[in-house]
Amino acid sequence: GAGVSQSPSNKVTEKGKDVELRCDPISGHTALYWYRQRLGQGLEFLIYFQGNSAPDKSGLPSDRFSAERTGESVSTLTIQRTQQEDSAVYLCASSLRGGRNTEAFFGQGTRLTVV
Amino acid sequence: AQSVTQLGSHVSVSEGALVLLRCNYSSSVPPYLFWYVQYPNQGLQLLLKYTTGATLVKGINGFEAEFKKSETSFHLTKPSAHMSDAAEYFCAVSNAGNNRKMIWGLGTSLAVNP
Repeated sequence: GAGVSQSPSNKVTEKGKDVELRCDPISGHTALYWYRQRLGQGLEFLIYFQGNSAPDKSGLPSDRFSAERTGESVSTLTIQRTQQEDSAVYLCASSLRGGRNTEAFFGQGTRLTVV
Repeated sequence: AQSVTQLGSHVSVSEGALVLLRCNYSSSVPPYLFWYVQYPNQGLQLLLKYTTGATLVKGINGFEAEFKKSETSFHLTKPSAHMSDAAEYFCAVSNAGNNRKMIWGLGTSLAVNP
């Protein structure tokens, strides 16, 4: 597609429920990133996929968070047993390649509210 | 360790006036510095970046920023604000442009008044 697409744009869920957030990267982009932005805080890196390499999960805050990516296409971020502190905007970005000094293109984000 | 401070969470200017958004950073290694803009209902978009070389960097939509090592600053400016510049602006620093290791500021919301 023309840009990075994320769905849903907004999600309200009850505490304890599982949620899935979807990201469609720009076609041909081998690298994909997930970030989180909590209210009043800067973006936090969560996870990175690059081609068929093992993902960099170093930013995931707990084992309730996981992400999958099918080849070089769609990615889903799953949060199990959601907590109120998971409320945030979840941003996905993709870049043509991984490594350094490659511009990342961002989606509009999914605003998750846990009530 | 790296960090970014954006001075002023909200800035308001009149149309045609100078835009100045402040960003100070700390970094133990030569930094790569970025400004991103987020227009309403859109994703983050790279406005400009400094990697190496010329310290005055020009970006899209008439924006520019100057890397001042002695002041550890990377302030964003535009000589004349336009209504369409109203957006959220984010400053970020990284080690050699590693997107996983970017440290982001909290953002500055720019309002442009007619």
